[in-house]
Amino acid sequence: DAKTTQPTSMDCAEGRAANLPCNHSTISGNEYVYWYRQIHSQGPQYIIHGLKNNETNEMASLIITEDRKSSTLILPHATLRDTAVYYCIVDGLSGNTPLVFGKGTRLSVIA
Amino acid sequence: NAGVTQTPKFQVLKTGQSMTLQCAQDMNHEYMSWYRQDPGMGLRLIHYSVGAGITDQGEVPNGYNVSRSTTEDFPLRLLSAAPSQTSVYFCASSYSLAGGPGDTQYFGPGTRLTVL
Repeated sequence: DAKTTQPTSMDCAEGRAANLPCNHSTISGNEYVYWYRQIHSQGPQYIIHGLKNNETNEMASLIITEDRKSSTLILPHATLRDTAVYYCIVDGLSGNTPLVFGKGTRLSVIA
Repeated sequence: NAGVTQTPKFQVLKTGQSMTLQCAQDMNHEYMSWYRQDPGMGLRLIHYSVGAGITDQGEVPNGYNVSRSTTEDFPLRLLSAAPSQTSVYFCASSYSLAGGPGDTQYFGPGTRLTVL
């Protein structure tokens, strides 16, 4: 599986957009990018995933670079409830094991 | 749907005791997994199952047993608890493991285990 690199922590002002970067320079052509988040002590929660194109849902937007070596998760209007650890994961069609979680980015939304 | 449920929520064991952590899902998912999460760390895969009767080891399987007799249930057994197994245990299920939308994993609320 391709590995990902994320900053350890980030801060964001409440109401502003939170942009969380992820590097996945060894990603292969059939691998998806997934984002999950884990609010304190709870089980991880799926946010969004993408292959090549940018994606948007009710929670967030995912911007994937043209070379697919990096991506950015965007929370358009961060609230205090978005304070969590955000995990960027790469997994592919040839995989037959569950997702592998790294340490993620701890996002703190500040009032 | 209840989703993924786990029992108990909290458990304290003494070294050497055995116990079973329960996990159930009502989404008819073929794939189920167990992870552990130590303080300040990411999730590490213990065991997983790709269907009833089929299980496989993850990154940290030692000291744990699993079986999958039904699609719905995937219990995790600690054979002889050790303080190093103090952790939060999460169970997850998914429709597939093959990438794409079906790969989305749904997690339970976790079991917080302390081994004295």
